[in-house]
Amino acid sequence: GAVVSQHPSRVICKSGTSVKIECRSLDFQATTMFWYRQFPKQSLMLMATSNEGSKATYEQGVEKDKFLINHASLTLSTLTVTSAHPEDSSFYICSALKENYGYTFGSGTRLTVV
Amino acid sequence: KQEVTQIPAALSVPEGENLVLNCSFTDSAIYNLQWFRQDPGKGLTSLLLIQSSQREQTSGRLNASLDKSSGRSTLYIAASQPGDSATYLCAVAEGYSTLTFGKGTMLLVSP
Repeated sequence: GAVVSQHPSRVICKSGTSVKIECRSLDFQATTMFWYRQFPKQSLMLMATSNEGSKATYEQGVEKDKFLINHASLTLSTLTVTSAHPEDSSFYICSALKENYGYTFGSGTRLTVV
Repeated sequence: KQEVTQIPAALSVPEGENLVLNCSFTDSAIYNLQWFRQDPGKGLTSLLLIQSSQREQTSGRLNASLDKSSGRSTLYIAASQPGDSATYLCAVAEGYSTLTFGKGTMLLVSP
């Protein structure tokens, strides 16, 4: 199989603080992981592509200084939402691609900024 | 730019019915197509993956078809159950990393 673990599942933080979300591939190595964001009743939107050992590739309109991505190993990518504001409240999901298996997604993180 | 459309947006059926969810995409040059299920507030669960060279895939009561030339895929659910209630997402991959999602079909199966 292909299992991706995402942590935490829920987080509430105060406005202005930073939050780190972890995404791990448990039984395979993922040179590339992806971070998505989903607003209520909307489709998933790709935020950035995380590449192991190099800088992430951000989609147009996504602030790279606000959404810091680190992919330091073949099994771990992290997304840090810096100086969070209420409008950053959303559902964040990571995924990884396993060859011949397709994309596997983490369970998501519900971020609420108060 | 690839666009993925899912019809209907919402569907309510009684338990036991067979149903079809539709997905269409604008650019037929795809790498593969994948159907996912999403329960409220949860992450995605992969249901079926169809490579561009394949026409269909089956898993249990689920059958997904792919017609690249017409830019269409269908997800067939046989003998629906209340536990099938969820949002079903269709996503097409155009290359190694680009995955475009539809907005999903919200399915409610009533007992």
